[in-house]
Amino acid sequence: SQQGEEDPQALSIQEGENATMNCSYKTSINNLQWYRQNSGRGLVHLILIRSNEREKHSGRLRVTLDTSKKSSSLLITASRAADTASYFCAMDSNYQLIWGAGTKLIIKP
Amino acid sequence: DTAVSQTPKYLVTQMGNDKSIKCEQNLGHDTMYWYKQDSKKFLKIMFSYNNKELIINETVPNRFSPKSPDKAHLNLHINSLELGDSAVYFCASSQDTSGRFQTQYFGPGTRLLVL
Repeated sequence: SQQGEEDPQALSIQEGENATMNCSYKTSINNLQWYRQNSGRGLVHLILIRSNEREKHSGRLRVTLDTSKKSSSLLITASRAADTASYFCAMDSNYQLIWGAGTKLIIKP
Repeated sequence: DTAVSQTPKYLVTQMGNDKSIKCEQNLGHDTMYWYKQDSKKFLKIMFSYNNKELIINETVPNRFSPKSPDKAHLNLHINSLELGDSAVYFCASSQDTSGRFQTQYFGPGTRLLVL
């Protein structure tokens, strides 16, 4: 069932700007993952952050996790048109992935 | 090589028909999943199989029946299709469920339209 919430639902920014998406959840988690979905395609895993980690980087991606607030954020720096996609957070809780509703990101050239 | 593949990619059918969607993964993973993504992009897990055994069965009408002939395949059969079944169905796999930090690998999706 859907127990993750993401905001904003949609985000439109200019190429080159940074994009920040947030995810909140209700249960305790083992880890939190971010996935990307291009239009008409399957989801692709981007990054995983463990419950004992606070921040993680991968290329232009930066993920933070605040377990006390039960929230995570995904920052994409220096956005590119190719970053246009939907981004989903997924919480690993009791060996299931619980999904957020997704943020649709549009990068304007 | 495609890691997780699904067939067909598109499926258009009449209400009341029975249809199947096939999924295969060549990653050597033990666990496979079926998800339904509706028009609002909500992703909902339907079933999960680990080594051919059902481990997750969310509240899904019993018109949906998964079948796993071996751990590399998980097929989804749908009886008496209804308009509300129209969605994109994704197959996914992960290494196993016994450990944590499980990354899931998704297929390209099957777009089902029931008329």
